[in-house]
Amino acid sequence: DGGITQSPKYLFRKEGQNVTLSCEQNLNHDAMYWYRQDPGQGLRLIYYSQIVNDFQKGDIAEGYSVSREKKESFPLTVTSAQKNPTAFYLCASSPWWGDYGYTFGSGTRLTVV
Amino acid sequence: DQQVKQNSPSLSVQEGRISILNCDYTNSMFDYFLWYKKYPAEGPTFLISISSIKDKNEDGRFTVFLNKSAKHLSLHIVPSQPGDSAVYFCAASGGNQFYFGTGTSLTVIP
Repeated sequence: DGGITQSPKYLFRKEGQNVTLSCEQNLNHDAMYWYRQDPGQGLRLIYYSQIVNDFQKGDIAEGYSVSREKKESFPLTVTSAQKNPTAFYLCASSPWWGDYGYTFGSGTRLTVV
Repeated sequence: DQQVKQNSPSLSVQEGRISILNCDYTNSMFDYFLWYKKYPAEGPTFLISISSIKDKNEDGRFTVFLNKSAKHLSLHIVPSQPGDSAVYFCAASGGNQFYFGTGTSLTVIP
């Protein structure tokens, strides 16, 4: 079945460490996205990629980095520079940039301890 | 600044009755709106959409209404079923990216 796989589901990180969240899709989608969800807030866009080897900052990119070396993969690194990394992270994809047919992964909950 | 707002964090409805979920937005340039449904431990899934050229769109038990002058949209679920219990997000776009609301947790009581 086609879809998006995010791993791990739960992740714990010590303060000051970088951590990478995985996002893989087998939908042959060009565009991929990373969102962050905090209690009482809507999903906020961290980074997006319209196509392989290209990515752009979203509204809250500070303290995060991404890569898009393969069409299927869009990993997100939460760096030690991110001041409040504890959150729920959602990856999504769509057939192309501007297409409204988003498919979401099931998310990764990151907790900094 | 939150451009899309869902002011009711939660809603409880009896099975068989109508559920009405509301969403307000601030940007008059938004021209496409969606509703997503999310179960615990799963990602959001697309439910229904509406473009700004319409004021209503129906899909089975789900109807979305758009009031552009009030910058307000609502999702009606009739009749509500226990399986509809989930968190519902509205999202809006002006073509560049989507902005999501904070979600409303709907509980349908059998």
